[in-house]
Amino acid sequence: DTEVTQTPKHLVMGMTNKKSLKCEQHMGHRAMYWYKQKAKKPPELMFVYSYEKLSINESVPSRFSPECPNSSLLNLHLHALQPEDSALYLCASGIRLGETQYFGPGTRLLVL
Amino acid sequence: AQTVTQSQPEMSVQEAETVTLSCTYDTSESNYYLFWYKQPPSRQMILVIRQEAYKQQNATENRFSVNFQKAAKSFSLKISDSQLGDTAMYFCAFSKTGANNLFFGTGTRLTVIP
Repeated sequence: DTEVTQTPKHLVMGMTNKKSLKCEQHMGHRAMYWYKQKAKKPPELMFVYSYEKLSINESVPSRFSPECPNSSLLNLHLHALQPEDSALYLCASGIRLGETQYFGPGTRLLVL
Repeated sequence: AQTVTQSQPEMSVQEAETVTLSCTYDTSESNYYLFWYKQPPSRQMILVIRQEAYKQQNATENRFSVNFQKAAKSFSLKISDSQLGDTAMYFCAFSKTGANNLFFGTGTRLTVIP
């Protein structure tokens, strides 16, 4: 089973709202990733967690705040977003860093 | 730095025919993985096939196979007996063994024509 789940599927939020994206996997993977993908572009890496510790923050603005409360769960907290943050947000996991990444279905975010 | 190049922004193929998508990469690493991911309009990124650089044998998954030319740094994907469900954006990707990053190409949009 290589399933990564993400909720919600769609999210519309105003620039003053606070919301969270959730990602879950039960494959025992110890590396988890957040990507941002604009239309017709490849995914861009945002954050990497390895064994529940933040490994990489690709200079992402502080209005995006990741959290890894346990080995199965990864959250992305959103606050004071801008319209240009509208995108597809993908979560992925892998057995460990550098191994095959398996992606979730994504959350389509629209910031008004 | 690693780069991945997909020179075909769009391609089309008749149903049941064979199509090859091109990918080249640049790296000084000796241990790495190469991947092809498929992203249909439903938007989920699906792993199609994976190749370990140390393996000389080309990877195969049912109708999907790769032509891995390590010296030429080329990694093409062949889809045989194309099906309508193969219509998608295809991304070639590179990962150094043990590294954080997955480097993606810009993608090839494949349309299978009935």
